[in-house]
Amino acid sequence: AQSVTQLGSHVSVSEGALVLLRCNYSSSVPPYLFWYVQYPNQGLQLLLKYTSAATLVKGINGFEAEFKKSETSFHLTKPSAHMSDAAEYFCAVSRNSGNTPLVFGKGTRLSVIA
Amino acid sequence: GAVVSQHPSRVICKSGTSVKIECRSLDFQATTMFWYRQFPKQSLMLMATSNEGSKATYEQGVEKDKFLINHASLTLSTLTVTSAHPEDSSFYICSARAFDWQNTDTQYFGPGTRLTVL
Repeated sequence: AQSVTQLGSHVSVSEGALVLLRCNYSSSVPPYLFWYVQYPNQGLQLLLKYTSAATLVKGINGFEAEFKKSETSFHLTKPSAHMSDAAEYFCAVSRNSGNTPLVFGKGTRLSVIA
Repeated sequence: GAVVSQHPSRVICKSGTSVKIECRSLDFQATTMFWYRQFPKQSLMLMATSNEGSKATYEQGVEKDKFLINHASLTLSTLTVTSAHPEDSSFYICSARAFDWQNTDTQYFGPGTRLTVL
């Protein structure tokens, strides 16, 4: 069975500081990995995804994530936090890019302090 | 492209009534849609997989007679919460498959429906 662990339910950073949200996965097959962002009372927006191509994945809004098989990790980073980045972030894994459901982590709430 | 809509965005109903939530793929056809449920400050949990023209596949612990799913066309899946009770209050989110600009099979999520049962 696949699973995702997000370390830290809440992360707080200063505006302009590095954002690092941690995600570790467990999968018996080569995984597809995703990061989604959710703003209050809204659905999910795809930030980026790993589908066995390049291990460093660049997404929208300046976010990127690196797939490290040896560490079973897919951490999300952004060099400089903006106030608009404050939201809930979910890491997810699936066996297939689209036709299998996603297994989500519990989420990490990012706060950005002015 | 690849826009998924949900209707209504918010619904309040009395206990014992039924509520229908629609999930539409606006600019593409989706043979498979998924329904997720999200409790406050928690993650999304898969409820069921909806396949066009066939019965939905429900996750363990989800009552199929209570959460009726119909995927009658390639652009519409509906979730009906029958005889709703306060414990059914939640945020319901659907997703649909589409191929993105890299021709990668991807799930796109709707904006969600907030159900409150009084």
